[in-house]
Amino acid sequence: GQQVMQIPQYQHVQEGEDFTTYCNSSTTLSNIQWYKQRPGGHPVFLIQLVKSGEVKKQKRLTFQFGEAKKNSSLHITATQTTDVGTYFCAGVGYSTLTFGKGTMLLVSP
Amino acid sequence: DAGITQSPRHKVTETGTPVTLRCHQTENHRYMYWYRQDPGHGLRLIHYSYGVKDTDKGEVSDGYSVSRSKTEDFLLTLESATSSQTSVYFCAIRDVANEQFFGPGTRLTVL
Repeated sequence: GQQVMQIPQYQHVQEGEDFTTYCNSSTTLSNIQWYKQRPGGHPVFLIQLVKSGEVKKQKRLTFQFGEAKKNSSLHITATQTTDVGTYFCAGVGYSTLTFGKGTMLLVSP
Repeated sequence: DAGITQSPRHKVTETGTPVTLRCHQTENHRYMYWYRQDPGHGLRLIHYSYGVKDTDKGEVSDGYSVSRSKTEDFLLTLESATSSQTSVYFCAIRDVANEQFFGPGTRLTVL
């Protein structure tokens, strides 16, 4: 079955530093989604990428889908304490999602 | 958040007892999902439903059953709870844009 690997597992940054999490799939993905989960909360949908090489931005967040549609990245510029949480990528199947294990981001002021 | 509620929000039970978790949605979405979340494992799909009485297994379905007799309700049952089923359980719905919206979660402890 489809496997989605995400690195790093954990990252601790100082406020203002940049952050990147990477997602790699064992198979070609149709689409990929990204979710954020705040501590003690539930996952919240951020974005879906569909096209090969696609780049989308949401304020300080930049999402990229690889040319081969087997990898993706989320980059946060100038992190803030509000960015704290776990970021998950998810490969989109016909009816279901396959989640990576997530990257936990801790931001120190 | 897409009108999804889960009950109970917290439950402590003993090994061998049956447990049923309920997910309720108010927006008539066809697809509903049950996930469990454990440290180091991320979100793993247990079962999902694509309509009333239509369900299918996910990655970690052993020890769990589900039922969906109405569009708005999706029940997850642990027939005989084990300590390995201690986890946080999330219900989710899928909207027409293929986005999943999650409920607030149920924290289950099996002693």
